[in-house]
Amino acid sequence: DPKIIQKPKYLVAVTGSEKILICEQYLGHNAMYWYRQSAKKPLEFMFSYSYQKLMDNQTASSRFQPQSSKKNHLDLQITALKPDDSATYFCASSPGSQNTLYFGAGTRLSVL
Amino acid sequence: SQLAEENLWALSVHEGESVTVNCSYKTSITALQWYRQKSGEGPAQLILIRSNEREKRNGRLRATLDTSSQSSSLSITATRCEDTAVYFCATDEHYGGSGNKLIFGTGTLLSVKP
Repeated sequence: DPKIIQKPKYLVAVTGSEKILICEQYLGHNAMYWYRQSAKKPLEFMFSYSYQKLMDNQTASSRFQPQSSKKNHLDLQITALKPDDSATYFCASSPGSQNTLYFGAGTRLSVL
Repeated sequence: SQLAEENLWALSVHEGESVTVNCSYKTSITALQWYRQKSGEGPAQLILIRSNEREKRNGRLRATLDTSSQSSSLSITATRCEDTAVYFCATDEHYGGSGNKLIFGTGTLLSVKP
């Protein structure tokens, strides 16, 4: 069974709309992250949370807002969607001070 | 700017052959990690090698780290078709307290043919 669940697996949205990407982890980790993977680009760090607190934000746009309602949840709200936002978004977690990341299977977002 | 970079976009080998993927990085590190990403999946860690280590093994995988030249390699022996994937190196930035940030290279696509 997957330990990091991302929903949905595929998502199609129209320009200007808003979507929420869901992430739940069942590894008991205290740190969670969002990464983005676009075509022909490396995995790009977006956010990190530790104990539900924002640790780092490398996303220039405020249209991307992480939301942590529970310790093992880190959702990603994206507003005013643009075609350039099309990418696969990966949620990950790590056991705190150790630096191995465990990734979910990703949400593939297409903005038309 | 990108902190870690694999040296080749793509490699192709036949099953049973050995292959090496190289990576260079630009800053001092506490550790370097190798990840593999198969089609349709998230990346999965293969090996973590710390800055005071020169070599690390995991089954058919062997990673080396040369901090003087800021480079690392990942060798796979007796390759199998299921080794077909993109291989990334990643370096870390640490915060105080919990949490960390990994910076990934662009990846090397390895194709293992029957």
